[in-house]
Amino acid sequence: SQELEQSPQSLIVQEGKNLTINCTSSKTLYGLYWYKQKYGEGLIFLMMLQKGGEEKSHEKITAKLDEKKQQSSLHITASQPSHAGIYLCGADMISGGSNYKLTFGKGTLLTVNP
Amino acid sequence: GAVVSQHPSWVICKSGTSVKIECRSLDFQATTMFWYRQFPKQSLMLMATSNEGSKATYEQGVEKDKFLINHASLTLSTLTVTSAHPEDSSFYICSAPTRTPRGTQYFGPGTRLLVL
Repeated sequence: SQELEQSPQSLIVQEGKNLTINCTSSKTLYGLYWYKQKYGEGLIFLMMLQKGGEEKSHEKITAKLDEKKQQSSLHITASQPSHAGIYLCGADMISGGSNYKLTFGKGTLLTVNP
Repeated sequence: GAVVSQHPSWVICKSGTSVKIECRSLDFQATTMFWYRQFPKQSLMLMATSNEGSKATYEQGVEKDKFLINHASLTLSTLTVTSAHPEDSSFYICSAPTRTPRGTQYFGPGTRLLVL
């Protein structure tokens, strides 16, 4: 089974609506990273979470890591067409590891209709 | 944020030829870099970890003789697809972690390979 489950697989919202993307693991997440990708391009780093209960925001995007460090959510407020793309969560599942190896979820394709 | 470049951005080659893709960290040093492969509408699949000064570590199922990795310096890693075949056509992306904050990986823009 997939080590990192991401949901939903795709999401279509009307401009101005809020949305949430989830990333869940059965293992402890020692580092959780959110990236955005436009099709055919590289990944843009959004945010990194490491501590249980941690929450970070940048502009209209907020990411949270639960207290158990097994689930993260990415919330977009008042979505805009510029938010459209593929959102990927990546996780470091190795305790004390220093090899920076990340496991990725399958991604969420977000479409924002004007 | 840190910048990682890749070259070329896309390449078309004939079956049987070898193709080299470069990954550079432009404003930081990286003793480790990662190579991923991505198929259309799918997530990233880690192929190998490139280590400066030592051999690359390959993920299970990835042919090391097929995908040669060389970490020539603290800012450059190369992936060579040897004797490329149409099934090797894909989007290849590299990443490099900065030293601080720990583990934040910055990605290159990717290289699209089409083998005819």
